[in-house]
Amino acid sequence: DTAVSQTPKYLVTQMGNDKSIKCEQNLGHDTMYWYKQDSKKFLKIMFSYNNKELIINETVPNRFSPKSPDKAHLNLHINSLELGDSAVYFCASSQRTGGGSYEQYFGPGTRLTVT
Amino acid sequence: AQKITQTQPGMFVQEKEAVTLDCTYDTSDPSYGLFWYKQPSSGEMIFLIYQGSYDQQNATEGRYSLNFQKARKSANLVISASQLGDSAMYFCAMRETGTGNQFYFGTGTSLTVIP
Repeated sequence: DTAVSQTPKYLVTQMGNDKSIKCEQNLGHDTMYWYKQDSKKFLKIMFSYNNKELIINETVPNRFSPKSPDKAHLNLHINSLELGDSAVYFCASSQRTGGGSYEQYFGPGTRLTVT
Repeated sequence: AQKITQTQPGMFVQEKEAVTLDCTYDTSDPSYGLFWYKQPSSGEMIFLIYQGSYDQQNATEGRYSLNFQKARKSANLVISASQLGDSAMYFCAMRETGTGNQFYFGTGTSLTVIP
C-alpha cells in the first residue's frame, strides 16, 4: 500500500496556465506538507496544514494555494505558472500530536516543467 | 541563522568502508528531533533514522547510526560497510517542538560509493 501518493508524477505545461497537483495519505496522519525542491536539490517548505492550522511560508507567492477537502488530502493549486516554478514538488505527512518521533513520510514527487 | 548546516556538498567512499556525513543544528528549544533522509537518483525521499533530544543513546538502524553530540549540536550520520546502493543525496532535518513541530532541512550531501 502506498503511504503518500501524488498525481501526476510529471507535469509539463505552458507559462500562464493554472494547474493542480493532488496528494493523498493513508497513514492517518494529522498534518500534511508541500515542499519545493529546486534544481540544486534544496528543499523548501511551502505549507504545512492540519485541520486547525495552515502555516504558509511567507516567501511563497500567493499564486500557490493548498486546498484540503479532508484530512487525508492536500492538493496544491498553482495559478499563472511561471518558468521559475519548474521544480519537483513533494507532498509529505506526519503525526504532529500524541508523542513519537513525528517523522515525515514523503510522496514520490511531481516534476513540474513550465515552458 | 541556518537551522541545519551540512557542510559537505559531496562525499566519496570506497565500497565496504564506513563514511560519516556531517550535520550541525541550531536551536534553543530543549525538545527537538533530528532526522536523516536519503534521496536516491530515482527521487523519492526515504526516512532513515531519528534521534530525540532527550535520548541518552545514539540511534541505530541497521548500517545507519546517528552520532549525537548534544553539547556540540551535531548529529552526524554514520553509514557502515558502504554499498553501491548507498549512493544518493542525504538530508539532515530537525523538528522543533516549540515551533509546533516545524521541520527544517539542510542543503544535503551527495554521497558516491566507489566500487
